[in-house]
Amino acid sequence: KAGVTQTPRYLIKTRGQQVTLSCSPISGHRSVSWYQQTPGQGLQFLFEYFSETQRNKGNFPGRFSGRQFSNSRSEMNVSTLELGDSALYLCASRAVVYNEQFFGPGTRLTVL
Amino acid sequence: AQTVTQSQPEMSVQEAETVTLSCTYDTSESDYYLFWYKQPPSRQMILVIRQEAYKQQNATENRFSVNFQKAAKSFSLKISDSQLGDAAMYFCAYRSRIRETSGSRLTFGEGTQLTVNP
Repeated sequence: KAGVTQTPRYLIKTRGQQVTLSCSPISGHRSVSWYQQTPGQGLQFLFEYFSETQRNKGNFPGRFSGRQFSNSRSEMNVSTLELGDSALYLCASRAVVYNEQFFGPGTRLTVL
Repeated sequence: AQTVTQSQPEMSVQEAETVTLSCTYDTSESDYYLFWYKQPPSRQMILVIRQEAYKQQNATENRFSVNFQKAAKSFSLKISDSQLGDAAMYFCAYRSRIRETSGSRLTFGEGTQLTVNP
């Protein structure tokens, strides 16, 4: 089975732009969660999607949004980028009946 | 809200020796999961071991074992016979079993950078 994939792997944007990141979960996994990892704040939960519905949301501003498609693929969007949005963005997928979450390799976003 | 604390930013161990990484957490819930994840330089998060709070028996996965002390809210990871490939950042994580409110949400500690010396 293929693992969780994230595209693109690296991204450079400038302040004020917007960005869309994509995550394809493991086949059969309906839950997709997103995390932001920075040296200062560590790993922080952004949101979770399950069956195309946002099930849970972390403490991030409204500039961060996401969605999930019928094939469980998920996208997250960050509008009006700020320097502080530079981070590694990780997504993780989970099958309903299992406890483990499997992480993708991440997207490294740099905001200049 | 739950919090997870790893008080050791860095640890080092000699190859073939044993090392223990510490983790404490705070929660008002009685039913939850605890995890240790490993993040090597590639940044890929890899699950090392999992513990269900309702199980008294400590989880073990090959060279990795945990010491779960529910009353003390402590969850340490012991790595035996350390190998060079064990060098990585290790994260302790908490997940509630109350799906309605928490879903798959993981709360992570700050991480412990483990160095393995040959």
